[in-house]
Amino acid sequence: DVKVTQSSRYLVKRTGEKVFLECVQDMDHENMFWYRQDPGLGLRLIYFSYDVKMKEKGDIPEGYSVSREKKERFSLILESASTNQTSMYLCASSLSTGGSPLHFGNGTRLTVT
Amino acid sequence: RKEVEQDPGPFNVPEGATVAFNCTYSNSASQSFFWYRQDCRKEPKLLMSVYSSGNEDGRFTAQLNRASQYISLLIRDSKLSDSATYLCVVRGSGGYQKVTFGIGTKLQVIP
Repeated sequence: DVKVTQSSRYLVKRTGEKVFLECVQDMDHENMFWYRQDPGLGLRLIYFSYDVKMKEKGDIPEGYSVSREKKERFSLILESASTNQTSMYLCASSLSTGGSPLHFGNGTRLTVT
Repeated sequence: RKEVEQDPGPFNVPEGATVAFNCTYSNSASQSFFWYRQDCRKEPKLLMSVYSSGNEDGRFTAQLNRASQYISLLIRDSKLSDSATYLCVVRGSGGYQKVTFGIGTKLQVIP
């Protein structure tokens, strides 16, 4: 069974802090994703990585960066947290072969005060 | 037009009822399709993939209509535990295989 682990379930940070969200998957998946989910807006893709050290911007990359130094780990970085980044953050992974579904971690609920 | 459109609901149905959700997608080159279930304040979980010939898993039936560019999910004999939000997901082709989520349809099964 695929396991995607996000380092924190709940996180409270102050405006201006640098925030690191970590995600680890144990299934040797090539693709990894970071989404945020807000009421009424659904899941929005922040960044996507299709292999180690490779990354692509998603629909809402502003204010975020990512790092993928190892295949199993994909980190999301909020360079200077702002209150509008208060959200549920979801990491996912998948194989790169066609038709592969995404497997999600259990999410990090981030509050920026 | 949104890439993936779903009626957000809520759909309130009595226990034992049959309920169907549709989802339309705009990119005719889309290759793979999925239904996910999401409980309140939890992560989305794969319910089922959707195959061209249609597929069934117990009380759940998924169908794909490529000509009209929609997928559907049918739930028979609804249970209270089916109450959740159902997300339609479309994945593209090529190296990137862009993944697009619908906003989700909320289902509430009432006793």
